[in-house]
Amino acid sequence: GQQVMQIPQYQHVQEGEDFTTYCNSSTTLSNIQWYKQRPGGHPVFLIQLVKSGEVKKQKRLTFQFGEAKKNSSLHITATQTTDVGTYFCAEPSGNTPLVFGKGTRLSVIA
Amino acid sequence: DAGITQSPRYKITETGRQVTLMCHQTWSHSYMFWYRQDLGHGLRLIYYSAAADITDKGEVPDGYVVSRSKTENFPLTLESATRSQTSVYFCATPYEQYFGPGTRLTVT
Repeated sequence: GQQVMQIPQYQHVQEGEDFTTYCNSSTTLSNIQWYKQRPGGHPVFLIQLVKSGEVKKQKRLTFQFGEAKKNSSLHITATQTTDVGTYFCAEPSGNTPLVFGKGTRLSVIA
Repeated sequence: DAGITQSPRYKITETGRQVTLMCHQTWSHSYMFWYRQDLGHGLRLIYYSAAADITDKGEVPDGYVVSRSKTENFPLTLESATRSQTSVYFCATPYEQYFGPGTRLTVT
């Protein structure tokens, strides 16, 4: 079945450093979604990318969709302690239910 | 406020017991989903429903039963709980996959 591979699994950064997580698929994706889950919380939708080569920004977060629509990345500039959590990518699978990557857990050291 | 509610939020049960996790949406989304989340496995789909009285298996359905008699409710039942079902359970709807707050279940 469809599968998205997400790397790295964990990332520890100093506050102020940048952070990037990558999502890769063996198949072409129709679209990809990104979620953030704070410790003890539930996943919260961040963004959806649909077009080849698409780049979207949300303040310090930059989301990219690869030209071949097989990979995506989330980049955070100058991390803050509020960025702590697990970031998931997810792709549609058949009739709507999403298939999630295993996530990247981000720790930010103040 | 509109959204998804789940109950209970925390549950401890014993092996072999039946337990039902409730999910209620205040919208009228036809689709609803149940996921479980475990360390090292991320979020895995248990069951989903396309409409009232229509349900289908996801990636990890064994040991679970669902029903959907009303569009707004989608209960998940563990008929005979096992320790391997200790997990955090999330109910969700599509259109940006809005997640409920989750139920943390411990099976002793």
